[in-house]
Amino acid sequence: AQTVTQSQPEMSVQEAETVTLSCTYDTSENNYYLFWYKQPPSRQMILVIRQEAYKQQNATENRFSVNFQKAAKSFSLKISDSQLGDTAMYFCAFMKHNNNDMRFGAGTRLTVKP
Amino acid sequence: ETGVTQSPTHLIKTRGQQVTLRCSSQSGHNTVSWYQQALGQGPQFIFQYYREEENGRGNFPPRFSGLQFPNYSSELNVNALELDDSALYLCASTSRGSYNSPLHFGNGTRLTVT
Repeated sequence: AQTVTQSQPEMSVQEAETVTLSCTYDTSENNYYLFWYKQPPSRQMILVIRQEAYKQQNATENRFSVNFQKAAKSFSLKISDSQLGDTAMYFCAFMKHNNNDMRFGAGTRLTVKP
Repeated sequence: ETGVTQSPTHLIKTRGQQVTLRCSSQSGHNTVSWYQQALGQGPQFIFQYYREEENGRGNFPPRFSGLQFPNYSSELNVNALELDDSALYLCASTSRGSYNSPLHFGNGTRLTVT
């Protein structure tokens, strides 16, 4: 079974600074996808960034980037130039290839301080 | 493009009762997944529906059941409610066949069982 672990229950960062959220996962699969979702107080899960396991290049979306280490089964999220609106729960998620069943970690609560 | 919509937004039930939660998938999506998110935790996969049939199930008892309709909307039914069923129930849709297609989530239904 696939498991996703987020070891940081809470983190905080000053506005405009950079923060990195950690995620590790366990799988025997070779083809899979990894995601970071953001859940603000509004409750809706919003996709932040995704990574295909077969791609060596780390995904980047504006201020958000990942450090994907396949051998180490690590998938961290870096947020640059943090903004107050980035305050939310962040969930790391894993999905096998050919399978829409997504598994989530327990989440990291990020607070951006002014 | 219409997003995923869920109803109701909040619900209070008594232990032993039955509840039905509803979800309309995003336009163009044919697969619906349901997740249970307990307070302070990540979403847990309940099941997924594709072509009106259950297509994958997580570790939930049979009193959790569902339906998918020809228009791809879906219902989650929970019988014999227990206090531990109190949670945020998230519906997510995607397009099967786009295997790296992420899940698009609704805002959830907050269920409280007293």
